[in-house]
Amino acid sequence: QKEVEQNSGPLSVPEGAIASLNCTYSDRVSQSFFWYRQYSGKSPELIMSIYSNGDKEDGRFTAQLNKASQYVSLLIRDSQPSDSATYLCAAYTGGFKTIFGAGTRLFVKA
Amino acid sequence: DGGITQSPKYLFRKEGQNVTLSCEQNLNHDAMYWYRQDPGQGLRLIYYSQIVNDFQKGDIAEGYSVSREKKESFPLTVTSAQKNPTAFYLCAASRSGGAAETQYFGPGTRLLVL
Repeated sequence: QKEVEQNSGPLSVPEGAIASLNCTYSDRVSQSFFWYRQYSGKSPELIMSIYSNGDKEDGRFTAQLNKASQYVSLLIRDSQPSDSATYLCAAYTGGFKTIFGAGTRLFVKA
Repeated sequence: DGGITQSPKYLFRKEGQNVTLSCEQNLNHDAMYWYRQDPGQGLRLIYYSQIVNDFQKGDIAEGYSVSREKKESFPLTVTSAQKNPTAFYLCAASRSGGAAETQYFGPGTRLLVL
């Protein structure tokens, strides 16, 4: 069964620090990867997408993909209390199917 | 103001009752999806639709039904056959279903059983 695994957390970091969120996936044919942020009681919103090996940066966010190791990560620099949320990792596996991880809860302490 | 709307925000279901969750989008996206989210779990795909008048079962379709009569609308019916319907239901849309296509989510409907 295709899976996306994340540490459930909570991951607690002080304000201004770097938060590192990790994700592994089981399906080697996964083509695209997404990080969503979900605030409590709200729907997921896209933070980053990444399709190729390496790093992709967007503002304070950097996504990293290593297909050989089946590993995706999200770095949040200069973490803010407003970054406190659950971060969902997702992998597109083909045929309109995207597998979502259970999410990592991040808590940024002011 | 483009986006995806879901209604109602909260829905209460009585034993043996069918209920319908609404999902409307004005993004002009071809593909639409229904997911279920339970506490501590990832999103699970219920149904998806690539185009109008076509839809496919996802991983947990039992006890649910959908229709796609219009591009903008993809309602989900939770039937009495779904024995554990309490969850957060999320509708999503993407331009197509390709690998590079981002899914955009509506605000969700929380279904509770009386």
